[in-house]
Amino acid sequence: DGGITQSPKYLFRKEGQNVTLSCEQNLNHDAMYWYRQDPGQGLRLIYYSQIVNDFQKGDIAEGYSVSREKKESFPLTVTSAQKNPTAFYLCASSLGQAVNYGYTFGSGTRLTVV
Amino acid sequence: AQSVTQLGSHVSVSEGALVLLRCNYSSSVPPYLFWYVQYPNQGLQLLLKYTSAATLVKGINGFEAEFKKSETSFHLTKPSAHMSDAAEYFCAVNFNTGKLIFGQGTTLQVKP
Repeated sequence: DGGITQSPKYLFRKEGQNVTLSCEQNLNHDAMYWYRQDPGQGLRLIYYSQIVNDFQKGDIAEGYSVSREKKESFPLTVTSAQKNPTAFYLCASSLGQAVNYGYTFGSGTRLTVV
Repeated sequence: AQSVTQLGSHVSVSEGALVLLRCNYSSSVPPYLFWYVQYPNQGLQLLLKYTSAATLVKGINGFEAEFKKSETSFHLTKPSAHMSDAAEYFCAVNFNTGKLIFGQGTTLQVKP
């Protein structure tokens, strides 16, 4: 079955470390997205990519980086510059930019700073 | 500015009662609207979407939503709540930008 796989499900980071969250999809979707979810704040867009080798900053990109070298993969790196990285991170994909396309979500990665 | 507002961060209903979750958007152009459900520690699952074909949209698990242009609303309803409906619900809107903007979410509690 097609879908989005996020790994790991739980991740612990020491202060000052960079960590990379994996997101892989086999839906043949062109667009991919990373969201951060905090209690009571809904979903906030970190980065998105509409096509391979291209990506754009979302609303809260500071302290994060991404790459899109393959259509199937859109990893997110949380750098040491992100001062409050503890959150639930969600990856999503869609067929493309058309406005009636909904998103398919992965099951998320919960990142905790220890 | 274009925005999405979900009225009520927490809604509590009794099992068997009507579920009503509210969503309003601000835009002069009718957008495309979506409702998603999220169970604890999981991703979001699409419940239904409005794409201008019909104002009353039926989704999964017995949910439906009605688009009202005059009220800029897209409220989610279910006639009879089940315990399994307890979750967080998100309204999302595409203001013709290709990106979804999400509301703050509403947590639905279902009491036995």
